[in-house]
Amino acid sequence: SQTIHQWPATLVQPVGSPLSLECTVEGTSNPNLYWYRQAAGRGLQLLFYSVGIGQISSEVPQNLSASRPQDRQFILSSKKLLLSDSGFYLCAWAYRGRDEAFFGQGTRLTVV
Amino acid sequence: GQSLEQPSEVTAVEGAIVQINCTYQTSGFYGLSWYQQHDGGAPTFLSYNALDGLEETGRFSSFLSRSDSYGYLLLQELQMKDSASYFCAVRFQGGKLIFGQGTELSVKP
Repeated sequence: SQTIHQWPATLVQPVGSPLSLECTVEGTSNPNLYWYRQAAGRGLQLLFYSVGIGQISSEVPQNLSASRPQDRQFILSSKKLLLSDSGFYLCAWAYRGRDEAFFGQGTRLTVV
Repeated sequence: GQSLEQPSEVTAVEGAIVQINCTYQTSGFYGLSWYQQHDGGAPTFLSYNALDGLEETGRFSSFLSRSDSYGYLLLQELQMKDSASYFCAVRFQGGKLIFGQGTELSVKP
């Protein structure tokens, strides 16, 4: 069966510090991968998505970046965090050509 | 632009029927999906409409009308555990998957 792992579950980081969130998928190949951010009580904002290794599409210009070094690994990074980067970050995957997405348990990031 | 509009909040009583609407100003997507998210948790897939019409999955049904740029999720025999946020979503060619702002459903006894 397919599983998605996202870590850490919670993170408190000071302003200006770097960030690295990792997401890995098991049990499938060539998945579409997604990073979303959710502010409290708000919708899912698409940050990045990838349809293959090294292929990253950015939706929101900001101080975040994403990389896909391996087929089932998706990394969200920042060199210097801002207070506005606080939120609930969700990684998701989907089969190519399918609409059903499967989400990780999320990382609650607080920038202080 | 691409946007999906949903009401921010809906309240209903246990055992009732509730409809959550989703209107969109976009085109070229494959179908309309619905997800449920309980507070603090991960969204989970509920249903999908590739074609116009009604799809039924147990107590949940979903509807799509491309000519009206409109869809809805229908929840029947509401239970307290249905209190959650509900999101509509569309996927485009190339894999882009976007979500609406979500509707918070409160089920009262």
